[in-house]
Amino acid sequence: DAKTTQPNSMESNEEEPVHLPCNHSTISGTDYIHWYRQLPSQGPEYVIHGLTSNVNNRMASLAIAEDRKSSTLILHRATLRDAAVYYCILRALYNQGGKLIFGQGTELSVKP
Amino acid sequence: DVKVTQSSRYLVKRTGEKVFLECVQDMDHENMFWYRQDPGLGLRLIYFSYDVKMKEKGDIPEGYSVSREKKERFSLILESASTNQTSMYLCASIFGSGGGSYEQYFGPGTRLTVT
Repeated sequence: DAKTTQPNSMESNEEEPVHLPCNHSTISGTDYIHWYRQLPSQGPEYVIHGLTSNVNNRMASLAIAEDRKSSTLILHRATLRDAAVYYCILRALYNQGGKLIFGQGTELSVKP
Repeated sequence: DVKVTQSSRYLVKRTGEKVFLECVQDMDHENMFWYRQDPGLGLRLIYFSYDVKMKEKGDIPEGYSVSREKKERFSLILESASTNQTSMYLCASIFGSGGGSYEQYFGPGTRLTVT
C-alpha cells in the first residue's frame, strides 16, 4: 500500500469547519482513500472512503483532488466530540486480507 | 450496526502468565485482525485470519499466537506474558476478502498491563 503524509496536529474552534489534508503522491489507480479516526481510549472507527469522486456521509465529506495525489477530510461543524486522531490510509482494490497500515495521523483538537 | 466486542477493557497480568484475549464479531465477517498500539509506534498488525482455522503472521507476531475455531471469534494468546507486551490490543474485522472498497470495524480495545 502506498504511503500517505498528514500534518501531526491541527486545531479547530467548535462549530467551525475543519479541513484535514492528506498527501498521497504515489497512489495507484485502484487505491481507495480511507479515513479512520480514533477517539481517546477507544478503537479506531471508520469515517469515510472514496476512489475518485467526492463523497459525503453523515459524519464527514471527502474531497479528492483531480489527480488523486491529495485528499481532504471535511468536518462541516466541529464539535468537542470530534477531537481525535485522524488517519488517512490507502487501500488497494485487491488488498490482500484487508489489513490496514496506519501512519501517525493528525491529532485534531477542538476548542470550545 | 456491526459490533466487534473484546472480552475485557482492562487486564492486569503477571510476567510468565498465559493470557487470552477474546474478540467476537457479529456480522459474519471472513477476515479478523489483532493489532497492538503503543505511543510513538502507532498501530501494528500482530496476526490476521481470513477463515476458520486459517491464520497469517502480521508485522510483529513474535511472542503471540492466535486461534480461530469459529468464524465469529478470534483469540490472541500470549503464551508467557512479558512486560514488553504491556500495550493496547485492538481487534478488527472486515467483510469478504478485505478489498479496498470495504471498511474495517474495530473493537474498543483491551489495555493489558503485565507486571
